[in-house]
Amino acid sequence: DIVMTQSPDSLAVSLGERATINCKSSQSVLYSSNNKNYLAWYQQKPGQPPKLIIYWASTRESGVPDRFSGSGSGTDFTLTISSLQAEDVAVYYCQQYCTSLSSLSFGGGTKVEIK
Amino acid sequence: EVQLVESGGGLVQPGGSLRLSCAASGFTFSDRYMDWVRQAPGKGLEWVGRIKNKGNSYTTEYAASVKGRFTISRDDSKSSLYLQMNSLKTEDTAVYYCAKDSGFGHFFDYWGQGTLVTVSS
Repeated sequence: DIVMTQSPDSLAVSLGERATINCKSSQSVLYSSNNKNYLAWYQQKPGQPPKLIIYWASTRESGVPDRFSGSGSGTDFTLTISSLQAEDVAVYYCQQYCTSLSSLSFGGGTKVEIK
Repeated sequence: EVQLVESGGGLVQPGGSLRLSCAASGFTFSDRYMDWVRQAPGKGLEWVGRIKNKGNSYTTEYAASVKGRFTISRDDSKSSLYLQMNSLKTEDTAVYYCAKDSGFGHFFDYWGQGTLVTVSS
C-alpha cells in the first residue's frame, strides 16, 4: 500500500504569513496516461468533518479561497496558505486516490495554529 | 444541497455488532460510489471501504484492518448507505463518516457529520 507522510506534524504561523505543509507518498501517484497526480488535500476544523480543498494536487475546490494552493508531482507535494487567516486554524490532511495501485490512504495530518 | 446524515453509533462490547446508516440527499445517490472513513479519537483519518454503483456491480472494497468483519451495502431506492460491523474490537472505536465520491476521482467532495462508535467493556 501507498504510505503518505506529512510534515511537519504541527506548525504555528503569524497571521498574514505563509504556511507550508508537505506530503510525501511512498510511490508515485502520477498517472502517465493522463498526466494527473491523484492527490487531494482536506481541511478539518475542530468538531467538524473534513472539507475538500484541493484535488488533482493543484485544483482548488469551488469556493475555496485563492490563498490556498497545491503543488508538486510524483511523490512530493505541498499545500501552501499564502496569508494565514484566523479561520484557517485546522488540521490538514493529504490523501492519495491512486486506487489501481493501492487502497486509499491519508497522511497523518498537520495541525496549523496561530503564533 | 448535498446532505449526508449518519446514524446508528453507540457503545458496544468487544466482539459485538453494530450497523451504521447514512441517509443521502441532494444528489443522484445511485450514480455515485460511496465510502466510509473513520477517525479514532484524537487521531487521523482512515479509509474503511467503498461500495461502487450499480453499473459497477455494487462491488465493495475494504481496508485490510476491517476486511472480513465489516460489510458495506446500499439501498439506492432509499438513497442510503450502510456499514455492518461485526466482531468489533476496541481499536474500532472512532467517529465513522460516510463520504461521497466525487465521481471523477476517488476523493470525497462531501462528508457527513459522523457517528461515534465506542467499543468497550
